[in-house]
Amino acid sequence: DQQVKQNSPSLSVQEGRISILNCDYTNSMFDYFLWYKKYPAEGPTFLISISSIKDKNEDGRFTVFLNKSAKHLSLHIVPSQPGDSAVYFCAASAKENTDKLIFGTGTRLQVFP
Amino acid sequence: DTEVTQTPKHLVMGMTNKKSLKCEQHMGHRAMYWYKQKAKKPPELMFVYSYEKLSINESVPSRFSPECPNSSLLNLHLHALQPEDSALYLCASSQAPGGGYNEQFFGPGTRLTVL
Repeated sequence: DQQVKQNSPSLSVQEGRISILNCDYTNSMFDYFLWYKKYPAEGPTFLISISSIKDKNEDGRFTVFLNKSAKHLSLHIVPSQPGDSAVYFCAASAKENTDKLIFGTGTRLQVFP
Repeated sequence: DTEVTQTPKHLVMGMTNKKSLKCEQHMGHRAMYWYKQKAKKPPELMFVYSYEKLSINESVPSRFSPECPNSSLLNLHLHALQPEDSALYLCASSQAPGGGYNEQFFGPGTRLTVL
């Protein structure tokens, strides 16, 4: 039972344009969401997070939007750069078990010139 | 130093071997994690250590045995593994327990192959 889903395994975007990565979740107890980015042969690195009390969080070129009623979040990268090419994981956690992070299956983003 | 190191990078072992994976961080973090990641799948939590004590075991088979000798080190002892245990094993740390709410710093992983 995949509680966090990223339905697009891959996404290709031109440099300078917006990249939108989507994530859906099923567990209504999730109240904190994070995005991680992973390059080949490296571990995931934290990008940005959002608490369920907010609907938007912005950090430079990265913005995460949360729609609790739809159980959906998205990561916007603008403008996209070739160095953004990586696998992006959405992850979620719940107050009942704050040590446990549930990851989505990942979306491979390719930014081409 | 904001790095989590893992050794070895690659490990090939037979089903009767005993081996260990090692993870180290010098960021003063008090929570450390082991994850397993199979190809094209998300990382899955295996164990959590908070303040050097095992706080979560996600029903992992006993052929995987974690150890936290001190606040900087985390080991994963492997014995009598099966070919289906072949995967990337990731170690992570966070400043405090509650790793679902704190940024976790991940190591590059150990690619394990069980023959």
